[in-house]
Amino acid sequence: GAVVSQHPSWVICKSGTSVKIECRSLDFQATTMFWYRQFPKQSLMLMATSNEGSKATYEQGVEKDKFLINHASLTLSTLTVTSAHPEDSSFYICSANPQGSSYNEQFFGPGTRLTVL
Amino acid sequence: GNSVTQMEGPVTLSEEAFLTINCTYTATGYPSLFWYVQYPGEGLQLLLKATKADDKGSNKGFEATYRKETTSFHLEKGSVQVSDSAVYFCALRGQGAQKLVFGQGTRLTINP
Repeated sequence: GAVVSQHPSWVICKSGTSVKIECRSLDFQATTMFWYRQFPKQSLMLMATSNEGSKATYEQGVEKDKFLINHASLTLSTLTVTSAHPEDSSFYICSANPQGSSYNEQFFGPGTRLTVL
Repeated sequence: GNSVTQMEGPVTLSEEAFLTINCTYTATGYPSLFWYVQYPGEGLQLLLKATKADDKGSNKGFEATYRKETTSFHLEKGSVQVSDSAVYFCALRGQGAQKLVFGQGTRLTINP
C-alpha cells in the first residue's frame, strides 16, 4: 500500500513552453502533498506544500507564478512549470501525507525529470 | 532554521563491511528524525525513524539512535550487501512542523 505515482516520469520541452507534472496517491487519500526539487548530486529542496482545496504554501525564494500548484482532489496534485527555461531543468519529486495520519508518514513518488532545451 | 548535515560521499565499501554514515542536525525543540533510501531509478523510501531522544530506529539490518546530547542520528549496519547500494538521506521534521528538511545525501556503493 501507500503508493504515489508521478506522470510523466520524464519530459523534454522547448524553452518558453509550460509543463504539467501530476502526483497521485493511488491507494490512499492525501490532504497534504509536498513538491521538492532535486539537483544532480544534491539534496531535496522543498518548493511548496499543497493542501487539498486551498492555496499552496511556497518556500522562500520559490516563484509562485512560475511554479503553479493545484491540489484539486484528495488524490491528485499538479505542478505546472510555466514558461520553462533551461535553468528549470531538474528532478521534481512529490510526496503525500495520508489523510488522518501523522506528518511523519510521507510517501514519495518516483520523480519526474524535466529537461528544458 | 532547522538543518541537517550528513557525511559527504561517495562511500565505497566491500560486501560484509561495517557501515556508518554520519548525520547531525540543528533544530529547536524535539524534532523527529528519519533516514530515507533512494535506490537507482526509484523514489525515496523510508528506511527508519525515531521520534524522541534515545529512540533507536531499525530496519533491514540498519540502525540509528536519536542522540539529543550530540544532535546526531548516525546510520549503521554491521554487514552491508551489494543490494544496499543506493543514496541515503538523513532528514528531520521540526516539532509541530509539516515539512521535512533533508541532508545532502550520501551515495553508497557496495562492491562484491
